[in-house]
Amino acid sequence: TQLLEQSPQFLSIQEGENLTVYCNSSSVFSSLQWYRQEPGEGPVLLVTVVTGGEVKKLKRLTFQFGDARKDSSLHITAAQPGDTGLYLCAGVPSPDKVIFGPGTSLSVIP
Amino acid sequence: DAMVIQNPRYQVTQFGKPVTLSCSQTLNHNVMYWYQQKSSQAPKLLFHYYDKDFNNEADTPDNFQSRRPNTSFCFLDIRSPGLGDAAMYLCATSGGYEQYFGPGTRLTVT
Repeated sequence: TQLLEQSPQFLSIQEGENLTVYCNSSSVFSSLQWYRQEPGEGPVLLVTVVTGGEVKKLKRLTFQFGDARKDSSLHITAAQPGDTGLYLCAGVPSPDKVIFGPGTSLSVIP
Repeated sequence: DAMVIQNPRYQVTQFGKPVTLSCSQTLNHNVMYWYQQKSSQAPKLLFHYYDKDFNNEADTPDNFQSRRPNTSFCFLDIRSPGLGDAAMYLCATSGGYEQYFGPGTRLTVT
Protein backbone atom coordinates (compact mmCIF):
# COMPACT_ATOMS: atom_id res chain seq x y z
CA THR A 1 0.00 0.00 0.00
CA GLN A 2 1.38 3.37 -1.01
CA LEU A 3 0.88 5.98 1.68
CA LEU A 4 1.82 9.63 1.92
CA GLU A 5 2.50 11.53 5.12
CA GLN A 6 2.45 15.28 5.50
CA SER A 7 3.84 17.51 8.19
CA PRO A 8 2.89 19.60 9.93
CA GLN A 9 -0.82 18.76 10.02
CA PHE A 10 -1.77 22.27 11.12
CA LEU A 11 0.17 25.51 10.79
CA SER A 12 -0.80 29.00 11.92
CA ILE A 13 1.59 31.83 11.11
CA GLN A 14 1.67 35.60 10.85
CA GLU A 15 1.54 37.37 7.53
CA GLY A 16 5.05 37.84 6.14
CA GLU A 17 6.56 34.71 7.67
CA ASN A 18 8.10 31.87 5.69
CA LEU A 19 7.03 28.24 6.01
CA THR A 20 7.80 24.78 4.68
CA VAL A 21 5.43 21.85 4.35
CA TYR A 22 6.74 18.32 3.89
CA CYS A 23 5.37 15.29 2.10
CA ASN A 24 6.97 11.87 2.62
CA SER A 25 6.42 8.34 1.43
CA SER A 26 8.15 5.00 1.66
CA SER A 27 7.22 4.41 -1.98
CA VAL A 28 8.67 5.82 -5.17
CA PHE A 29 6.28 7.80 -7.32
CA SER A 30 6.66 8.68 -10.96
CA SER A 31 5.44 12.15 -10.05
CA LEU A 32 4.06 14.13 -7.15
CA GLN A 33 1.48 16.85 -7.23
CA TRP A 34 0.57 19.66 -4.86
CA TYR A 35 -2.98 20.96 -4.58
CA ARG A 36 -4.43 23.84 -2.60
CA GLN A 37 -8.00 23.70 -1.38
CA GLU A 38 -9.77 26.78 -0.09
CA PRO A 39 -12.69 26.39 2.33
CA GLY A 40 -15.86 25.27 0.55
CA GLU A 41 -14.10 24.65 -2.77
CA GLY A 42 -12.48 21.74 -4.56
CA PRO A 43 -8.69 21.27 -4.66
CA VAL A 44 -6.81 23.13 -7.35
CA LEU A 45 -3.61 21.75 -8.82
CA LEU A 46 -0.58 23.95 -8.13
CA VAL A 47 2.26 21.94 -9.61
CA THR A 48 3.43 18.53 -10.78
CA VAL A 49 7.03 17.47 -10.15
CA VAL A 50 8.39 14.62 -12.19
CA THR A 51 12.17 14.47 -12.05
CA GLY A 52 14.12 13.58 -8.89
CA GLY A 53 15.74 16.73 -7.49
CA GLU A 54 13.46 18.97 -9.53
CA VAL A 55 12.68 22.44 -8.21
CA LYS A 56 9.73 24.46 -9.48
CA LYS A 57 8.75 27.98 -8.54
CA LEU A 58 5.31 29.52 -8.68
CA LYS A 59 5.61 33.14 -7.55
CA ARG A 60 6.28 32.88 -3.78
CA LEU A 61 5.88 29.09 -3.74
CA THR A 62 8.86 26.77 -4.26
CA PHE A 63 8.33 23.06 -4.77
CA GLN A 64 11.05 20.46 -4.58
CA PHE A 65 10.98 16.75 -5.46
CA GLY A 66 13.42 14.57 -3.56
CA ASP A 67 16.26 12.88 -5.40
CA ALA A 68 14.77 9.44 -4.69
CA ARG A 69 11.27 10.60 -5.76
CA LYS A 70 9.81 9.61 -2.38
CA ASP A 71 9.39 13.04 -0.84
CA SER A 72 8.60 16.61 -1.66
CA SER A 73 8.49 19.98 0.02
CA LEU A 74 6.57 23.18 -0.46
CA HIS A 75 8.14 26.42 0.74
CA ILE A 76 6.15 29.64 0.89
CA THR A 77 8.00 32.93 1.20
CA ALA A 78 6.35 35.91 2.88
CA ALA A 79 3.02 34.21 3.43
CA GLN A 80 -0.14 36.20 2.81
CA PRO A 81 -3.69 35.68 4.09
CA GLY A 82 -4.66 34.54 0.59
CA ASP A 83 -2.36 31.53 1.05
CA THR A 84 -4.71 30.17 3.71
CA GLY A 85 -6.06 26.74 2.81
CA LEU A 86 -5.51 23.01 2.88
CA TYR A 87 -2.35 21.94 1.05
CA LEU A 88 -2.49 18.41 -0.27
CA CYS A 89 0.34 16.45 -1.77
CA ALA A 90 -0.61 13.61 -4.06
CA GLY A 91 1.41 10.75 -5.46
CA VAL A 92 0.65 9.59 -8.97
CA PRO A 93 1.22 5.82 -9.22
CA SER A 94 -0.62 5.53 -12.54
CA PRO A 95 -2.16 7.91 -15.08
CA ASP A 96 -5.73 7.50 -13.83
CA LYS A 97 -5.14 7.56 -10.09
CA VAL A 98 -3.70 9.83 -7.41
CA ILE A 99 -3.08 9.07 -3.76
CA PHE A 100 -3.61 12.03 -1.47
CA GLY A 101 -1.70 12.77 1.68
CA PRO A 102 -3.67 13.84 4.77
CA GLY A 103 -3.05 17.52 4.07
CA THR A 104 -1.59 20.50 5.89
CA SER A 105 -4.08 23.12 7.03
CA LEU A 106 -2.43 26.54 6.79
CA SER A 107 -3.80 29.67 8.39
CA VAL A 108 -2.07 32.99 7.70
CA ILE A 109 -3.06 35.66 10.17
CA PRO A 110 -3.05 39.27 8.96
CA ASP B 1 -16.09 29.01 -18.17
CA ALA B 2 -16.61 26.38 -15.49
CA MET B 3 -15.07 23.03 -16.42
CA VAL B 4 -16.35 20.68 -13.72
CA ILE B 5 -19.77 21.55 -12.43
CA GLN B 6 -21.47 20.04 -9.43
CA ASN B 7 -25.10 20.40 -8.50
CA PRO B 8 -26.38 21.20 -6.05
CA ARG B 9 -23.65 22.93 -4.03
CA TYR B 10 -25.54 22.18 -0.82
CA GLN B 11 -27.86 19.24 -0.26
CA VAL B 12 -29.85 18.36 2.83
CA THR B 13 -31.41 14.92 3.07
CA GLN B 14 -33.06 12.89 5.77
CA PHE B 15 -31.60 9.81 7.37
CA GLY B 16 -32.33 6.87 5.07
CA LYS B 17 -33.75 8.96 2.22
CA PRO B 18 -32.01 8.30 -1.12
CA VAL B 19 -30.12 11.22 -2.60
CA THR B 20 -28.38 11.81 -5.93
CA LEU B 21 -25.53 14.21 -6.54
CA SER B 22 -24.60 15.22 -10.06
CA CYS B 23 -21.45 16.21 -11.86
CA SER B 24 -20.88 17.43 -15.39
CA GLN B 25 -17.74 18.37 -17.28
CA THR B 26 -16.90 20.39 -20.37
CA LEU B 27 -13.34 19.05 -20.68
CA ASN B 28 -14.26 15.84 -22.55
CA HIS B 29 -12.02 13.90 -20.18
CA ASN B 30 -12.37 10.15 -20.21
CA VAL B 31 -11.87 9.65 -16.45
CA MET B 32 -14.31 10.86 -13.80
CA TYR B 33 -13.95 10.42 -10.06
CA TRP B 34 -16.05 10.73 -6.93
CA TYR B 35 -14.38 11.57 -3.64
CA GLN B 36 -15.72 11.94 -0.12
CA GLN B 37 -14.06 14.54 2.06
CA LYS B 38 -14.72 15.08 5.75
CA SER B 39 -13.66 18.13 7.67
CA SER B 40 -9.90 18.87 7.57
CA GLN B 41 -9.19 15.49 5.94
CA ALA B 42 -7.89 14.53 2.54
CA PRO B 43 -10.35 13.52 -0.16
CA LYS B 44 -11.10 9.80 -0.07
CA LEU B 45 -11.64 8.13 -3.44
CA LEU B 46 -14.95 6.26 -3.64
CA PHE B 47 -14.81 5.12 -7.29
CA HIS B 48 -13.90 6.24 -10.76
CA TYR B 49 -14.89 5.64 -14.34
CA TYR B 50 -12.43 5.16 -17.15
CA ASP B 51 -14.82 5.84 -20.01
CA LYS B 52 -17.63 3.39 -19.22
CA ASP B 53 -15.49 1.09 -17.10
CA PHE B 54 -16.44 1.39 -13.44
CA ASN B 55 -13.71 1.01 -10.80
CA ASN B 56 -14.85 0.69 -7.22
CA GLU B 57 -12.47 1.18 -4.30
CA ALA B 58 -12.36 -1.88 -2.04
CA ASP B 59 -13.53 0.00 1.05
CA THR B 60 -16.37 1.93 -0.55
CA PRO B 61 -19.64 0.91 1.14
CA ASP B 62 -22.37 -0.68 -0.99
CA ASN B 63 -24.57 2.23 0.03
CA PHE B 64 -22.73 4.30 -2.56
CA GLN B 65 -23.45 3.75 -6.24
CA SER B 66 -22.58 5.63 -9.39
CA ARG B 67 -23.82 6.07 -12.93
CA ARG B 68 -22.14 7.57 -15.96
CA PRO B 69 -24.67 7.79 -18.80
CA ASN B 70 -22.27 9.62 -21.13
CA THR B 71 -18.84 11.28 -21.20
CA SER B 72 -20.09 14.55 -19.73
CA PHE B 73 -22.18 13.41 -16.78
CA CYS B 74 -21.62 11.31 -13.70
CA PHE B 75 -23.94 10.74 -10.74
CA LEU B 76 -23.39 9.64 -7.18
CA ASP B 77 -26.32 7.83 -5.58
CA ILE B 78 -26.45 7.31 -1.84
CA ARG B 79 -29.15 4.72 -1.29
CA SER B 80 -29.71 5.10 2.44
CA PRO B 81 -27.73 8.00 3.86
CA GLY B 82 -26.58 7.73 7.43
CA LEU B 83 -25.35 10.48 9.70
CA GLY B 84 -21.79 9.36 8.98
CA ASP B 85 -22.27 10.12 5.30
CA ALA B 86 -22.46 13.84 5.93
CA ALA B 87 -19.46 15.25 4.08
CA MET B 88 -18.26 17.20 1.08
CA TYR B 89 -18.52 15.15 -2.10
CA LEU B 90 -16.06 16.10 -4.80
CA CYS B 91 -16.18 15.19 -8.45
CA ALA B 92 -13.01 15.31 -10.53
CA THR B 93 -11.97 14.58 -14.09
CA SER B 94 -8.70 13.67 -15.72
CA GLY B 95 -7.42 13.38 -19.23
CA GLY B 96 -3.93 12.43 -18.14
CA TYR B 97 -1.96 12.87 -14.94
CA GLU B 98 -3.74 15.98 -13.64
CA GLN B 99 -7.10 16.02 -11.92
CA TYR B 100 -9.58 18.87 -12.20
CA PHE B 101 -12.00 19.18 -9.34
CA GLY B 102 -15.46 20.61 -9.14
CA PRO B 103 -16.46 22.88 -6.26
CA GLY B 104 -18.07 20.03 -4.36
CA THR B 105 -21.50 19.32 -2.90
CA ARG B 106 -21.86 19.71 0.85
CA LEU B 107 -24.24 16.98 2.06
CA THR B 108 -26.05 17.32 5.36
CA VAL B 109 -28.00 14.37 6.79
CA THR B 110 -30.69 15.16 9.33
